[in-house]
Amino acid sequence: EAQVTQNPRYLITVTGKKLTVTCSQNMNHEYMSWYRQDPGLGLRQIYYSMNVEVTDKGDVPEGYKVSRKEKRNFPLILESPSPNQTSLYFCASSATGEKLFFGSGTQLSVL
Amino acid sequence: GEDVEQSLFLSVREGDSSVINCTYTDSSSTYLYWYKQEPGAGLQLLTYIFSNMDMKQDQRLTVLLNKKDKHLSLRIADTQTGDSAIYFCAESYGSSNTGKLIFGQGTTLQVKP
Repeated sequence: EAQVTQNPRYLITVTGKKLTVTCSQNMNHEYMSWYRQDPGLGLRQIYYSMNVEVTDKGDVPEGYKVSRKEKRNFPLILESPSPNQTSLYFCASSATGEKLFFGSGTQLSVL
Repeated sequence: GEDVEQSLFLSVREGDSSVINCTYTDSSSTYLYWYKQEPGAGLQLLTYIFSNMDMKQDQRLTVLLNKKDKHLSLRIADTQTGDSAIYFCAESYGSSNTGKLIFGQGTTLQVKP
């Protein structure tokens, strides 16, 4: 089954404790991206990747890092999480940069 | 900058038609999309329309695009309780393929039995 898999589904952490949210897709898609969803703001792009070793900032990249060492994986790294990064995070992939397919989301709470 | 606007809430009775409206600003978008988000779930691509089309019909869904007014709508015929969800309008970011979509705030559709 074609899918985008994120882990974990829920995460509670404390300020400053480094964490990684994993994302994997099995569709051989070139494009992958991370979004965060906040009430009243819709979804905003954090980072995107057009291919292996090619990443770039989206609209809200501050406080986040990504890497794309393999085509299927695109982890999101929070080196020093802060409470304003409490949000619902979605990973997405696409063959062409259009028609994004989303994972089920990761609800992150930073205390 | 690019912006997508939607009304926040719509309530209809089961069996009625629902119309969710959206306005956007980037006239160079290649595609416009409707995504559905059910409670506790990710976003599901519901339908999309190419920017040179006026209308697209897919079973109970009809998408209308008015490029002059930069207005997109989603009509759901014979709305069912299972259609209750948040619906997001989105446009692709310019003409470059960066995997970036600009999303509206989402319209919560409530279907009353």
